[in-house]
Amino acid sequence: SQQGEEDPQALSIQEGENATMNCSYKTSINNLQWYRQNSGRGLVHLILIRSNEREKHSGRLRVTLDTSKKSSSLLITASRAADTASYFCATDIVGGAQKLVFGQGTRLTINP
Amino acid sequence: DGGITQSPKYLFRKEGQNVTLSCEQNLNHDAMYWYRQDPGQGLRLIYYSQIVNDFQKGDIAEGYSVSREKKESFPLTVTSAQKNPTAFYLCASSITGVNYGYTFGSGTRLTVV
Repeated sequence: SQQGEEDPQALSIQEGENATMNCSYKTSINNLQWYRQNSGRGLVHLILIRSNEREKHSGRLRVTLDTSKKSSSLLITASRAADTASYFCATDIVGGAQKLVFGQGTRLTINP
Repeated sequence: DGGITQSPKYLFRKEGQNVTLSCEQNLNHDAMYWYRQDPGQGLRLIYYSQIVNDFQKGDIAEGYSVSREKKESFPLTVTSAQKNPTAFYLCASSITGVNYGYTFGSGTRLTVV
């Protein structure tokens, strides 16, 4: 049951530019989380935004959440080559027993 | 250092064989999860456990089995009933309760030969 859809599926930008990824979901959530995955590796937790929060920052990351539109965005500012990875949103659904449901991911490539 | 260890990193299975993937954590987390990832895809939940000696099926449990005899360990067995087991398997753990993120292991890549 994949409830998260991410857009775009792939994104290629120049180093120093900002990267924006979007995530839409279908049902009520407790929180929405973003993870990064480098090729062939496990996922790394980046940031969690609760359903009653609208915006959250962590270093170069900015996450927004619009529960009325059931959507979230992840902005990475001043991108670096090391940011090249796949980025996944995951939703903790209300009544879902804390099981995260992951989207299909956005593959981000930062060109030097 | 605390973390999750998955082993082996690569595993090859012959047709009709059962294989077991190991997942061990020293984070003192109550909840543990197994996900499957196919190339270019998101993660799909196989099984999860929120407490020792208890576990629940996820979305794609058929052909898999688990046990949770110790808090630190949550092994996954891929049985011969799983017809398409070639995938990347990820184990994760978390604190029980709302608004906690997952810690993931580095994964096991299983290939049928």
